[in-house]
Amino acid sequence: GQNIDQPTEMTATEGAIVQINCTYQTSGFNGLFWYQQHAGEAPTFLSYNVLDGLEEKGRFSSFLSRSKGYSYLLLKELQMKDSASYLCAAGRDDYKLSFGAGTTVTVRA
Amino acid sequence: EPEVTQTPSHQVTQMGQEVILRCVPISNHLYFYWYRQILGQKVEFLVSFYNNEISEKSEIFDDQFSVERPDGSNFTLKIRSTKLEDSAMYFCATQNKEGYTFGSGTRLTVV
Repeated sequence: GQNIDQPTEMTATEGAIVQINCTYQTSGFNGLFWYQQHAGEAPTFLSYNVLDGLEEKGRFSSFLSRSKGYSYLLLKELQMKDSASYLCAAGRDDYKLSFGAGTTVTVRA
Repeated sequence: EPEVTQTPSHQVTQMGQEVILRCVPISNHLYFYWYRQILGQKVEFLVSFYNNEISEKSEIFDDQFSVERPDGSNFTLKIRSTKLEDSAMYFCATQNKEGYTFGSGTRLTVV
């Protein structure tokens, strides 16, 4: 079965840092995706972790621990435009994605 | 950057009617998917398609649903007799070894 857990909501101040945690239990796991989704729009790709460790890409970083079934997305120097839903998705050997329910991040001035 | 194109962007249909959602995938991608997202809920897998046939489908993808790639470019999702609960955003996605790309989605409203 598939089980992806992430917090429902987070709020942070402009310029701050927010860490969104995700735990997963997925058969045939082959990597962890993070997507950003603005209301009414398609998910857009942020990161993909296959190996354990931290991947940094500008203001966004993603971490994976396969042994713990755990990942996080780190958003630094938050901007108002970062207000969105952030989706954790486990990739599987059969190539499909299992999504978490998403974390709605609200950035306040 | 290559895009996945979906049409229409928004469709309103009466319950019981048939709808066809269209997707033009990225040309060199091999795996195609349909996902849906009911308002306020998570993105859910519907079906995957590879080498001109369904490779996997979820329990949501019942006999009312079908997919095909009729002309080698368009990838379509057909819902034969729509129900109110089919109202959702439907996303086409394609994938090759570099990763997934989602289309902009079709918002289906069944009234």
